[in-house]
Amino acid sequence: QSALTQPASVSGSPGQSITISCTGTSSDVGGYNSVSWYQQHPGKAPKLMIYDISNRPSGVSGRFSGSKSGNTASLTISGLQAEDEAEYYCSAYRSGNTVVFGGGTKVTVL
Amino acid sequence: EVQLEESGGGLVQPGGSLRLSCAASGFMFNNYVMTWVRQAPGKGPEWVSAISASGRSTYYADSVKDRFTISRDNSKNTLYLQMNGLRAEDTALYYCAKDQVGNIADAFDIWGQGTVVTVSS
Repeated sequence: QSALTQPASVSGSPGQSITISCTGTSSDVGGYNSVSWYQQHPGKAPKLMIYDISNRPSGVSGRFSGSKSGNTASLTISGLQAEDEAEYYCSAYRSGNTVVFGGGTKVTVL
Repeated sequence: EVQLEESGGGLVQPGGSLRLSCAASGFMFNNYVMTWVRQAPGKGPEWVSAISASGRSTYYADSVKDRFTISRDNSKNTLYLQMNGLRAEDTALYYCAKDQVGNIADAFDIWGQGTVVTVSS
């Protein structure tokens, strides 16, 4: 089960916006609305940031937004802050009752 | 407070077995799909297995199928993962996670802190 494809790293200055892509296939990202994004700080468990492509759980900052076009989903962080520096993972439901994760993107705040 | 607490990890030789447990509290455990996700050192998460709210339906990643068994005891609010035939590549931090609603396609909104499994001779 190959992972979803994410860029290894993305960086930006405080206040800027960055976008992380997550590319899959028509059997996962492109075929369903079940795309999620997780933030993980070192030594911590992942935290759900976006579910069902573009929905934010209660308590997650409005600076985080998600979208999807074809087989690629995207996470945008607006007004980048120092606390946003972390690893970000996408995940998607894949046909056949499995779930697949991306390889992760390291976000660096310059 | 909604909480998941894993236990049962440790060092085991290749070919050995371990049983992980995940104690849930603060929510109606028997209403939700539950999932095991693992993360090898320096790697991204890998979905391992999920189980329906009733326990009647189970799902596995190809990498663990026929070696791992997921189960739950709703009377004890506890999720389990029986791991047999362990291999070096099973070495990872194992998380238990709660599905957001009641479907395997849902996001994971609550995660435990994980339990470490090391497979080595």
